[in-house]
Amino acid sequence: GNSVTQMEGPVTLSEEAFLTINCTYTATGYPSLFWYVQYPGEGLQLLLKATKADDKGSNKGFEATYRKETTSFHLEKGSVQVSDSAVYFCALTVNSGNTPLVFGKGTRLSVIA
Amino acid sequence: DTAVSQTPKYLVTQMGNDKSIKCEQNLGHDTMYWYKQDSKKFLKIMFSYNNKELIINETVPNRFSPKSPDKAHLNLHINSLELGDSAVYFCASSRDPSGNYGYTFGSGTRLTVV
Repeated sequence: GNSVTQMEGPVTLSEEAFLTINCTYTATGYPSLFWYVQYPGEGLQLLLKATKADDKGSNKGFEATYRKETTSFHLEKGSVQVSDSAVYFCALTVNSGNTPLVFGKGTRLSVIA
Repeated sequence: DTAVSQTPKYLVTQMGNDKSIKCEQNLGHDTMYWYKQDSKKFLKIMFSYNNKELIINETVPNRFSPKSPDKAHLNLHINSLELGDSAVYFCASSRDPSGNYGYTFGSGTRLTVV
């Protein structure tokens, strides 16, 4: 089946620290990979995506590279800000039939000044 | 103009009651979804409709009944509410069932059953 495993949180970092949130996946077929962010009290927003191997998604200083050989899509940011505090979800969809977006369990990030 | 809007944002109700949550999208998307987010933030798909037709119906109690009067609307009706139904319910939409362009989510409905 299709599944996503991401590192458990919470992750607490100081402002300007480097961020990595690990995400690995299992998929039948060729998945598209996504990172979503959920700020407190809000819905999920698409942060970035990659649709094929070696693609790099990037947005707002965040990056993730689709690594087929390691089935991974780790999220990175060079210098986090307090405003990046949120829950981050890795997700995948497989373009075969009606397969919904499958989410990881989410990783809560807290950035302190 | 909100792309995916849900109402109400908060819903507090007693066990045994029947309630509905409404969702509307103005993006022209063909596919809409209901997800349930539990207290640990885990997101689980419940239903999906493509152009008013039910295409995904996960293992959900039959007290939950979705309705899509047109492709811009997907409502969720819940009968005989139970304590375990307390959660945040998210509506989402996508261009097509593949979801390759990503989903757009509403801001959620926090349901509390007392």
